[in-house]
Amino acid sequence: AAGVIQSPRHLIKEKRETATLKCYPIPRHDTVYWYQQGPGQDPQFLISFYEKMQSDKGSIPDRFSAQQFSDYHSELNMSSLELGDSALYFCASSFSTSGSTGETQYFGPGTRLLVL
Amino acid sequence: EDQVTQSPEALRLQEGESSSLNCSYTVSGLRGLFWYRQDPGKGPEFLFTLYSAGEEKEKERLKATLTKKESFLHITAPKPEDSATYLCAVQADRGSTLGRLYFGRGTQLTVWP
Repeated sequence: AAGVIQSPRHLIKEKRETATLKCYPIPRHDTVYWYQQGPGQDPQFLISFYEKMQSDKGSIPDRFSAQQFSDYHSELNMSSLELGDSALYFCASSFSTSGSTGETQYFGPGTRLLVL
Repeated sequence: EDQVTQSPEALRLQEGESSSLNCSYTVSGLRGLFWYRQDPGKGPEFLFTLYSAGEEKEKERLKATLTKKESFLHITAPKPEDSATYLCAVQADRGSTLGRLYFGRGTQLTVWP
């Protein structure tokens, strides 16, 4: 079965540079979530999109922005990178329903960002 | 504030030695509780979704249960390939069908031969 695709898998940047992470959700999934996982930490929610509109926003720095495109893929843009931005960035996707129960989120393999 | 606490932080088992992992949660309206397995440097792999107290799900050597305050992941006769970090996450009722996951810190399981 098709899974969530993320690119690049590894990224090395200098401080103050810009990075763009891409996420391709599972086919027919309409919702994309972004999470950040620091070393030894649990994943922290950044932002999510449903049908190309921002649906929820977490602890995402103002230096970061994201969007979801017409083909449902999403990009996380990170500017003025800091050493503390070094982390694993995961994208997850789900198919929304109109019910009251939560939808399962399926995670991609992640992008490992190292800021030097 | 929504919180998820997992225990123990680390667990070492001998192959075949059954045990349970705990996930306690505080959330204003539970929309779903999710268990994931994560190998080092990889994305969380979905295991189970539980929606209501009393619900149970099984898959091979794993069984997840849910009460109103906590969930257990029971591992029966584990094998070395079960070694991983097991993450528990909850989705809270925010009046929407969409919602972020709140994760616990995970339990790092090591199964030795």
